[in-house]
Amino acid sequence: EAQVTQNPRYLITVTGKKLTVTCSQNMNHEYMSWYRQDPGLGLRQIYYSMNVEVTDKGDVPEGYKVSRKEKRNFPLILESPSPNQTSLYFCASSFQSSYNSPLHFGNGTRLTVT
Amino acid sequence: TQLLEQSPQFLSIQEGENLTVYCNSSSVFSSLQWYRQEPGEGPVLLVTVVTGGEVKKLKRLTFQFGDARKDSSLHITAAQPGDTGLYLCAGEGYNFNKFYFGSGTKLNVKP
Repeated sequence: EAQVTQNPRYLITVTGKKLTVTCSQNMNHEYMSWYRQDPGLGLRQIYYSMNVEVTDKGDVPEGYKVSRKEKRNFPLILESPSPNQTSLYFCASSFQSSYNSPLHFGNGTRLTVT
Repeated sequence: TQLLEQSPQFLSIQEGENLTVYCNSSSVFSSLQWYRQEPGEGPVLLVTVVTGGEVKKLKRLTFQFGDARKDSSLHITAAQPGDTGLYLCAGEGYNFNKFYFGSGTKLNVKP
């Protein structure tokens, strides 16, 4: 089944403790992206990747890192999480970042930083 | 400030009523997509509109892209409880690298 898989689904952590949220897709998509979703703000793009070893900042990249060593995986790293990073995170992928190439989303990771 | 403004933010209606959700911007987009998101899940694509003035129908849902490619609307005819969810519009910039999402319209259709 074609899908984007994120892990974990839920994560509670403390300020400053490094964490990684994994994202994997089995559709051979070139384009992958991370978003955070906050009430009243919709989905905001954190980072995106056009292909392996190619990553770039989205609208809200501060406090996050990503890597794209393999086509299928695009982990999101929080080196020193802070409470303002408490949010619902989504990973998405598509064949290419062009029109008529919809984003396929994972089921989300709800992160709480205390 | 959101690049794409959606209205209304919340909508609670009775089964059988019609409704329209609006997605407006001062920016021009290469395409505009509508997604629906249910609790505990990621957004799922409903439709993509590409050409200015384009109208697409998906059963009881009608989507329109503005002539100037800056705005879009979603009209639902005879809403059903199964239509309940968060509706998101997303515009794709001409650099093809970014999608800009609206803040969403939370629809509740009561039986």
